[in-house]
Amino acid sequence: EAGVAQSPRYKIIEKRQSVAFWCNPISGHATLYWYQQILGQGPKLLIQFQNNGVVDDSQLPKDRFSAERLKGVDSTLKIQPAKLEDSAVYLCASSSPGGAITGELFFGEGSRLTVL
Amino acid sequence: GNSVTQMEGPVTLSEEAFLTINCTYTATGYPSLFWYVQYPGEGLQLLLKATKADDKGSNKGFEATYRKETTSFHLEKGSVQVSDSAVYFCALSGNFGNEKLTFGTGTRLTIIP
Repeated sequence: EAGVAQSPRYKIIEKRQSVAFWCNPISGHATLYWYQQILGQGPKLLIQFQNNGVVDDSQLPKDRFSAERLKGVDSTLKIQPAKLEDSAVYLCASSSPGGAITGELFFGEGSRLTVL
Repeated sequence: GNSVTQMEGPVTLSEEAFLTINCTYTATGYPSLFWYVQYPGEGLQLLLKATKADDKGSNKGFEATYRKETTSFHLEKGSVQVSDSAVYFCALSGNFGNEKLTFGTGTRLTIIP
């Protein structure tokens, strides 16, 4: 079974530039999450999708971050314009219909963003 | 709100040593508790979980017991191996299900032969 795919693995940009990250969840997983992991901290949920609808985006900085999950499969997370404090690893995860309740999320390897 | 406090790292042990990584939590109601592990170059993966008080989760020789009276979920292993070197995250989810996971800061474990 293929895992959660993310790209790019690494990205370096200057502040005020834009960046986009892509995620393809495990086939059949209805729930998709984007987490932000700043160095030395635990992952923090940015947004949770159930199919193509948003379940929770309370911690998404909506003035600069946006995410979409068209057709309820893959997803894109965009940052525009980027700030220095956005330097982090962006983790995508997915779960099966029961997983969101049991807490078993399947994570991708992450996309590491460095903002200079 | 919910929060998780994990033992500060990094932790370095010799092979076959006993491991404890402390985790305490703050939450209302009856959260589910988890340990996730991140091996070098890989994504986070679920190691074990417990969904109610006094439950013991176990996997790959690791164990953790859900202690409601001390709000703790400490990770233990009797004899660690070099292959256990990884970053370990304690996490909890809310008691109503389908709630987001709240993670601790992670503990980096290095096992030396």
